[in-house]
Amino acid sequence: DTGVSQNPRHKITKRGQNVTFRCDPISEHNRLYWYRQTLGQGPEFLTYFQNEAQLEKSRLLSDRFSAERPKGSFSTLEIQRTEQGDSAMYLCASSLVSGVLDEQFFGPGTRLTVL
Amino acid sequence: AQSVTQPDIHITVSEGASLELRCNYSYGATPYLFWYVQSPGQGLQLLLKYFSGDTLVQGIKGFEAEFKRSQSSFNLRKPSVHWSDAAEYFCAVGAPQAGTALIFGKGTTLSVSS
Repeated sequence: DTGVSQNPRHKITKRGQNVTFRCDPISEHNRLYWYRQTLGQGPEFLTYFQNEAQLEKSRLLSDRFSAERPKGSFSTLEIQRTEQGDSAMYLCASSLVSGVLDEQFFGPGTRLTVL
Repeated sequence: AQSVTQPDIHITVSEGASLELRCNYSYGATPYLFWYVQSPGQGLQLLLKYFSGDTLVQGIKGFEAEFKRSQSSFNLRKPSVHWSDAAEYFCAVGAPQAGTALIFGKGTTLSVSS
């Protein structure tokens, strides 16, 4: 049990709808990452936060994707106007930076199906 | 370009037999290397990692991996596979600087036959 939780675990939506996923990291962790994993592929990095600051967001897939971590604790990932190609597993990971060590602990993921 | 290649998409091993999963990487600097395992409905679990030092690293569940700089490889091994090892295995590479994203391979699915 890694301690990272994600909700919901599954989401089915219709094309064009907006969806929001939540990630609760391990409580003392200051870094939080979002990845996307499509069928037959490894996880693909999307964005990450240190505390409440979003330090890298250039890899978000389009301007329909946005993420927040308002108080440096939980984070949300929103996809607006969903498309069928957004169907994937969305993974969250957290870490506690200590020197250069940055071991990421992953949550169980949210599986999105866009009809 | 930075990348990770796992040449084997699917491997079947008999229970009790040895296992080797291959991983090759392309990276501009000395990388940090990881192996993760993912079971259905579960998140990624870290098996082992290599940062520096001894090139043979031990992990959880009886797994080990060997870093070979000359071959740009970080292969995962286990001397005797158990049925519960059936899962998907991902090799990943990261930069030494904290906060950089991991680059994952496409994964190898391991099936264990009785």
